[in-house]
Order: sequence, then structure tokens, then C-alpha cells
Amino acid sequence: DIVLTQSPESLAVSLGERATINCKSSQSVLYGSYNKHFLAWYQQKPGQAPKLLIYWASTRESGVPDRFSGSGSGTNFTLTISNLQAEDVAVYYCQQYYHTPMYTFGQGTKLEIK
Amino acid sequence: QVQLQESGPGLVKPSQTLSLTCTVSGGSINSGGYYWNWIRQHPGKGLEWIGYFYNTGSTYYNPSLRSRVTISVDTSKNQFSLKLTSITAADTAVYYCARARTITDAFDIWGQGTIVTVS
Repeated sequence: DIVLTQSPESLAVSLGERATINCKSSQSVLYGSYNKHFLAWYQQKPGQAPKLLIYWASTRESGVPDRFSGSGSGTNFTLTISNLQAEDVAVYYCQQYYHTPMYTFGQGTKLEIK
Repeated sequence: QVQLQESGPGLVKPSQTLSLTCTVSGGSINSGGYYWNWIRQHPGKGLEWIGYFYNTGSTYYNPSLRSRVTISVDTSKNQFSLKLTSITAADTAVYYCARARTITDAFDIWGQGTIVTVS
């Protein structure tokens, strides 16, 4: 199975500042035929289901604010939240869908307001 | 707008079979070639994919649960279901149903989740 390791486990960022969350994959999730990385990011607020933010490592899901962006390649990926808002407090997960159908998730990163 | 809603017992005794249902509204479970998944989250922990059903009738399960899991669909009710046998306290979790647009895609729509306690 592909293991996804997120860092940090938690972070506190001031309102209006930038939050950066990392996800490292145990193997490449680049699908050569598509030239796409099969990696997604989710946001899970307390008591709620995860919500898809980013897929193909950098494509924003419809309706997701543009302060959320994804980047990276090969085995290293980043979720960046610019201009942090209070409603962004959540746990964020990365997920790979390269080694289908054995989908796996990172362990999560808890984002709080400083 | 497609929505998913899980339902089932909140409390199940050890060694029994857990049965959960996910009702799909706003669209047909048969259309679009989607993959219908079950995912769970142990208390305070991360997410574990359980398995999927595809509308050709194919299923695939997480090897760690394969001997105990069955996912099936009832197209007449626009529902798909999860059965997990021989449950233990380790199966206590929030269970989510979720849709993937293709087998190589993220989970774009999730149900709100249902809490299952084994005790």
C-alpha cells in the first residue's frame, strides 16, 4: 500500500496569514499516461464529513475558495491556505487514488488559529 | 445535486453483523458510471477505505476487511449497503458513504456519517 505521511501533525496560524501542510507519499503517484498526480486534499471540520478541496494534486473542486491551492510533484505535495479565515479551522487530509482501488489517506493535520 | 445519507443502528453487540445503508438522492445510483464507497473513521483517528460497489456489479474490498465485508446495491430503492460480520470493539467508528466519479478519482460527495458503537 502507498503510505502518505503528513506534516506537521498540527499547526497554529494567525488570521490572514498563510498555512502550509505537507504530504509525502511512499511512492510516486504520477500517472504517466495522464501526466497527472493522483492525489487529493480534504477538509474535515468538527462533527462533519470530509469535504473535497483539491484533486489531481492542484485542481480546485468547484466552489472551493481560491485561497486554497495544491502543489507538488512525484512524492511531495503541499496544501496552501492563504489569507487564513476563522472558518478554515479543521483537520486536513491528503489521499492517493493512484494505487486503486486501495485508496489510502494521510493521518491528518489539525489547523488552528493562533 | 446528489446527496448521500447513511442509516443504521447506532449500537451493535460484539460478534453480530453490522448493516448500514446509504440512500442516494438527487440522481440515480445506476447512472454516470460512479463508484459507491464506504469509508470509516475510528474515534479521533484518520480515514480507512472499506470498499466500493460499481454499477456493473463489481465490488472491491480493503484486504484487511475482505473476509468480513459485503457491499451491495438495491437499485429499486437507490441505495447501497454495507454488511460487516463478526464485529468487535475495533469496528467502533463513524461510517461514511462516498461517491467517486471514476475508479481513479477522489471522493467528491460524502454522506454526513453515522456513528456505530460496538458494545
